[in-house]
Amino acid sequence: DVKVTQSSRYLVKRTGEKVFLECVQDMDHENMFWYRQDPGLGLRLIYFSYDVKMKEKGDIPEGYSVSREKKERFSLILESASTNQTSMYLCASTGPEGVGGYTFGSGTRLTVV
Amino acid sequence: AQSVTQPDIHITVSEGASLELRCNYSYGATPYLFWYVQSPGQGLQLLLKYFSGDTLVQGIKGFEAEFKRSQSSFNLRKPSVHWSDAAEYFCAVGAGSGGYNKLIFGAGTRLAVHP
Repeated sequence: DVKVTQSSRYLVKRTGEKVFLECVQDMDHENMFWYRQDPGLGLRLIYFSYDVKMKEKGDIPEGYSVSREKKERFSLILESASTNQTSMYLCASTGPEGVGGYTFGSGTRLTVV
Repeated sequence: AQSVTQPDIHITVSEGASLELRCNYSYGATPYLFWYVQSPGQGLQLLLKYFSGDTLVQGIKGFEAEFKRSQSSFNLRKPSVHWSDAAEYFCAVGAGSGGYNKLIFGAGTRLAVHP
């Protein structure tokens, strides 16, 4: 069964900390995405990557950066965590045409205190 | 700009009743449309998708959706709801070019099922 794996289900971090969220997919997908999910707002795209070392900003990139050094791994980085970044973070991947739909990870619930 | 509207934030139905979840989209070209379901504490699972062809699309778990271009709608339906269908449902439109689709999601509809 194909999978997108997010390394942590729950994280609690302090304000100002640098936070790394890791995502790994085993489907050899070119495209990977980071979304955050907040009640009443649905999913909002933070960053995406369509190839190794390539990245593009989504709709809400402020306060975030990403890294994609290998095809299977896409990391989301919170340079200096703030309480308004408390959220559910979802990673997803899809193949070259994207038409198969996305495969999502189970999510990481991040709390910044 | 592309957008997706799910007018109903919460819906409650009785087990065995029929269900329709509404979705309206705004997109200039022919859209790729998706419905996802999210159970509590879980990621999103693809229920069904529409790219072209037959406007009535069958999905998993007994769900179907109908694409109506004139109404810019892609409503999700199920003839008889089961208690296990209680979850949050997201409609999405695929936007972008270059060989990948950037999904734009609606705010979601939370479904509760009464026994």
